[in-house]
Formats: sequence, structure tokens, C-alpha cells
Amino acid sequence: SQQGEEDPQALSIQEGENATMNCSYKTSINNLQWYRQNSGRGLVHLILIRSNEREKHSGRLRVTLDTSKKSSSLLITASRAADTASYFCATDAGDTGGFKTIFGAGTRLFVKA
Amino acid sequence: DTEVTQTPKHLVMGMTNKKSLKCEQHMGHRAMYWYKQKAKKPPELMFVYSYEKLSINESVPSRFSPECPNSSLLNLHLHALQPEDSALYLCASSPWTGRRDGYTFGSGTRLTVV
Repeated sequence: SQQGEEDPQALSIQEGENATMNCSYKTSINNLQWYRQNSGRGLVHLILIRSNEREKHSGRLRVTLDTSKKSSSLLITASRAADTASYFCATDAGDTGGFKTIFGAGTRLFVKA
Repeated sequence: DTEVTQTPKHLVMGMTNKKSLKCEQHMGHRAMYWYKQKAKKPPELMFVYSYEKLSINESVPSRFSPECPNSSLLNLHLHALQPEDSALYLCASSPWTGRRDGYTFGSGTRLTVV
């Protein structure tokens, strides 16, 4: 069953603007991860935030986690055309030692040059 | 080496064929995974291997048969597939626990069953 749900399903912005994607999940988690996928190829791990963390940064990426609301957001600042991709949140089912990572439905981001 | 290599990149097979997908990593990761992804959908977990032993099978039909010959290799044997099995098959690996690091994914094998 799907753990994470993402919002919006699709997002179209101009280059230079910020993009925000949201993820909600249903059960307790150990960590939440964000991945990027270009053109139906392999996924690239972007950032991992642990359940005891509230915010994490990596370059132009900022991730927040609110465990009380079971939600996370990914902010991409100063977007570029190369950021055009699908973005997935993923959570591990807390009782399986992190081996069972379930992906959300994903947000398709299109950045116009 | 920080990659997961999947071969072949594309595969077309008939419903009576037997074929295999191969996945290889040399990062010393001890957990390896197969995911299936249909167009515009998220990846769906199929199998998890931990220390070369199958630890999770997500009720995958027996026409898909995984194999982990050693800690660097993961195979997916395919037999008598159906057209609805056409999808992108992704292999991933992680250190012994996924709680500390994200997964490293291969580029996938795009499978078409005719």
C-alpha cells in the first residue's frame, strides 16, 4: 500500500522561481527521503531527514518534517530548467529495519526557461 | 565506484521467453532491492535481499524469480510474463540498514512483453 501522498501532482514554474512540494504519510516513520527521477530513468537520492529532525538543507534544497502532522515539504530555491523531473518522497515502514521503503505518488515539476 | 549498474537497458520478450535482468554494485552495500515502476506511477517494491538472503517478497507472482549469487550481484529471472508486466524495473542498494542513508538506484531496465 502507498505510504506517502504528494501534492501537487504537477507543478509548472518559471526558471528562477521557488518550487514547493508536499508529502503526507500515514504511519510512524524512522526517516523520510526525497528522490528525483528524470525521464523515467533511475531515481537519485536527494536528501534524508530523520524523524527527530525538523529541517534540513542541501544546496538549493530545503526539507521540513512535521511528525505531528505526518507531513514533509521539499523546497527548491531558484529553480533551473535542469530541475525539471519527477520528485518522490519515500518513507520506511518503521518496524522493518528500514528495508521496506515505500514511495509516494510523486510530483512532476516542469521548469520553463 | 558509487553506481548501481543494470543490464540490459531495454528488453523486449515474448510471453513464452525466459530472460534475466542483472544488477551489480561494488559499494559494499549489503541490502539490494527490486522495484517495478509503471508509467507515471511511483516505484513499487518487489523484493528485498539482506546479506544475500531474501528478506521481503511483496507477494510477487512466481513468474518473477529473484536471485542473489553474491553480495555484489542481484538477478531477476523472468518466465512466462504477461503484457501487463511491461514496466521499468529498477534495482537499488543500500548499506545494511536503510535508516542512515538513502538508496542508490540503477538506471533501470525498460521491459516490454509482447
